[in-house]
Parts: sequence; structure tokens; C-alpha cells
Amino acid sequence: GQNIDQPTEMTATEGAIVQINCTYQTSGFNGLFWYQQHAGEAPTFLSYNVLDGLEEKGRFSSFLSRSKGYSYLLLKELQMKDSASYLCAVRDSTNAGKSTFGDGTTLTVKP
Amino acid sequence: EAQVTQNPRYLITVTGKKLTVTCSQNMNHEYMSWYRQDPGLGLRQIYYSMNVEVTDKGDVPEGYKVSRKEKRNFPLILESPSPNQTSLYFCASRFTGTNTEAFFGQGTRLTVV
Repeated sequence: GQNIDQPTEMTATEGAIVQINCTYQTSGFNGLFWYQQHAGEAPTFLSYNVLDGLEEKGRFSSFLSRSKGYSYLLLKELQMKDSASYLCAVRDSTNAGKSTFGDGTTLTVKP
Repeated sequence: EAQVTQNPRYLITVTGKKLTVTCSQNMNHEYMSWYRQDPGLGLRQIYYSMNVEVTDKGDVPEGYKVSRKEKRNFPLILESPSPNQTSLYFCASRFTGTNTEAFFGQGTRLTVV
């Protein structure tokens, strides 16, 4: 099975940089996803990592270390609209490609 | 527009009254799944389907049923709802490749009284 840990809440200032960490223990790993979820809305895809290293997409970057069971999502030049919950999800290589989600990190961006 | 559509968006019902939440996707995705989201517990998978007529239990299947008679539809059935099934429900779909992201419906907020 999968066990995923993320911080529950984080606060940052508009224009700053914030890093949201995710650690996981897995019986079979086939990629890690980050999703953004605004309050009361559906999660939307942000990034995918399956190999070690950094993937950059505009203001958002995601990093993966498979040996450490560790990922982070880096948000630069924070904007008020980035206030949301960020979900880390690990895809299983053994169980029909099932994804297990972390509980999410609620990020509040303050002026 | 590519989308996953759930209905209804909001539902209040009474204990024991059977209900169905519909989910439909127009992206020809093979894989569909249902999640419930509760405060402090994140997204937990209820059931999933790898393709038509193929369904399997997720982490919290008790009290729920699903069917996959057509590729685009994956309804969630609560035969006898109970108050502990009060939750926010999401349907999701994706292709079956390993690097494929999931697309989520807008959610159904269910209250069972």
C-alpha cells in the first residue's frame, strides 16, 4: 500500500516562494502527481514526475527523489489566486495503476 | 469541451432512501473512479473501473455500488444511505497509461440526514 505525508497548512506572502513537501512509502511506484484544488472545486492537474529531478512549468516546479521517497512542489512569485489546497498523489505500479492521495496542504497567500 | 460531468451537484436525502450519482466523461477514457473527500482524510477511492464491465473496490467501498455498462458513464449507487456517507464525492477519469493525469468532475455534496 501507500502512505503519503504532507503538511496540513502553510502560509506565505504574495510575491514570495513557497515549497510544499510530500513524503511517501510505497510498495510499487509508478509516478507522483501534484494537483491543485480550490475550496469547493475539483482538483486540477499541475505536474507529474516519474524520474528523479526537477520538472518546471512556468511559476510551478516539482521535484522527485525516488530513493528518498520525497517530492516537493515549488511555487514562485506567489499570487493571491494560488491560495488553495495542493494534493500529492502516488500512482501504484502493482495495483491496477491506482493513485493514492495525500490529505493535501492548504496554502494561504497573504498580501 | 473535454469534461467530466457529475449530477447532481448538491443532494440532501434521508437515511435509507436509495440514490444514484451520475458521472459521464467525453474524453474516451478507459479508467474511471469515484472518490470521497472528508476533512482531514483527503481523497479516498471508493471504486474504480479499468474499462467497460470491469470494476473493482477501492479503499472504502462499503455501502456503495457502481456499474460500467458504457465507456462514458460510471454511476455511483448508494442502496441505503447512512449519515456517515455524508461527504463530497468526486468522479474522475483518465487514460490507462502510467503518466496520464486524472480529470475530475465538479463534485457532488451529499448530505444524509
